[in-house]
Amino acid sequence: KAGVTQTPRYLIKTRGQQVTLSCSPISGHRSVSWYQQTPGQGLQFLFEYFSETQRNKGNFPGRFSGRQFSNSRSEMNVSTLELGDSALYLCASMDRAGENEQFFGPGTRLTVL
Amino acid sequence: AQTVTQSQPEMSVQEAETVTLSCTYDTSENNYYLFWYKQPPSRQMILVIRQEAYKQQNATENRFSVNFQKAAKSFSLKISDSQLGDTAMYFCAFMKHAFGGGKLIFGQGTELSVKP
Repeated sequence: KAGVTQTPRYLIKTRGQQVTLSCSPISGHRSVSWYQQTPGQGLQFLFEYFSETQRNKGNFPGRFSGRQFSNSRSEMNVSTLELGDSALYLCASMDRAGENEQFFGPGTRLTVL
Repeated sequence: AQTVTQSQPEMSVQEAETVTLSCTYDTSENNYYLFWYKQPPSRQMILVIRQEAYKQQNATENRFSVNFQKAAKSFSLKISDSQLGDTAMYFCAFMKHAFGGGKLIFGQGTELSVKP
């Protein structure tokens, strides 16, 4: 099985712009979670989607949003980018509700100038 | 709310020796999972080992083992016969049991260097 894929791998944006990141889970996985990783704050949970519904949400402002499609692919959008949004964004997929192991993608490195 | 604490920001060990990474957590849940993830310089997160809270037996995966103390809310990782490829950032993480969904709470990480 192919692993979790994320596109793009690298992205440079300027303040005020918006950005969309994509995550394709392992085939058959229905849960996709997103995490932000920064040197200062570490790894923080953004949100999780399961069967196209947001199931869990972290403590991020409304500028961060996501969605999941019927094929389980997920997108994350950040509007009105700020310098502090520069981070590695990781997504992870999980099989079904009762499972616990998350498989991570390689991440998208976002730089906001 | 759950919290995970790793009190050792950096550690180093000589190749072939044993090292233990510490992790404590706080939760009011009775059923949950604990994990150790490894993140090498490539940034790819790799699951090292997992422990179900309802299991008293400590998990073991080859050279990796844990010491799970539920009452003390402690979950340490022991790496035996350390190898150069073990050099990485190690994260301890918590997840609510089963239908709590895919939300991992991570510690701040321990950067491990294995020296030849």
